[in-house]
Amino acid sequence: DVVMTQSPLSLPVTLGQPASISCWSGQSLLYKDKNTYLNWFHQRPGQSPRRLIYKVSNRDSGVPDRFSGSGSGTDFTLKISKVEAEDVGIYYCMQATYWPYTFGQGTKLEI
Amino acid sequence: EVQLVESGGDLVQPGGSLRLSCVTSGFRFSGHWMAWVRQAPGKGLEWVANIKRDGQQKEYVDSVKGRFTITRDNTENLLYLQMSSLRAEDTAVYYCARDPGEGVWGAFDIWGQGTTVTVSS
Repeated sequence: DVVMTQSPLSLPVTLGQPASISCWSGQSLLYKDKNTYLNWFHQRPGQSPRRLIYKVSNRDSGVPDRFSGSGSGTDFTLKISKVEAEDVGIYYCMQATYWPYTFGQGTKLEI
Repeated sequence: EVQLVESGGDLVQPGGSLRLSCVTSGFRFSGHWMAWVRQAPGKGLEWVANIKRDGQQKEYVDSVKGRFTITRDNTENLLYLQMSSLRAEDTAVYYCARDPGEGVWGAFDIWGQGTTVTVSS
C-alpha cells in the first residue's frame, strides 16, 4: 500500500498569516494516464470532510482562492495564503492512483 | 440538491453483522462510482471500499476483505455496505461518498453525514 505522510501533524497559526502542509507519498502518484491523483480534504470539527483540491492543484468551486495545491511525483503541498478563522480543522491528503486509496494522517490546523 | 444520507449504524457485538445504507438523491446515481470511508473515534480517515457504476468492479482495503461487501441498487439509487465478522477495530463513523471516477479518481466531491458503528460486547 502507498503510505502517505503529512507534516506537520499540528499547525498552530495566526489569523492572516500563511500556512503550509506537506504531504509525501511512498511512490510516485503519476498514473499511466498522465494524471496525478492526489486530493486534499478538509474536515471541520463535528462535520463531514469536504473536498478542497483534486489532482494536485484543482481547487473546488466554492473554495476560496487563498487555498492552493502544488507538487508532483511524491511531494505535494497545500498552502493557505492568509489563514481565516473558518480554516480550522483537519486537513488530509489522499492518493487515488493506486488501490487501496490511502489518506495521510491528517494535519490539525488551529488558531 | 445533491445529497447522501447514511443509515444503519448501531451497537453490535464482536462477530456480528450489520448493513449500512446510503440513500442518494439529486444526481444520476448510476453514472458514478461510489465509496465508503470510515473514521475511528479520534482518528483519521480510512478508505474502505469503492464500487463501479454498474457494480461490476469492487475494491476494498485489505483489513475488510472477505468480511465487508459493497453493493448498489441503481434502480433505487442506493448504496450498501454489508459488514460481517465485525471487530472492535471496525468501530467508526462510516461515510458514504461519491467518487467522480475515471480522470478524477478519489476526488470525493459529495459526502454524507455519516452513520456510527460501534462494535463492543
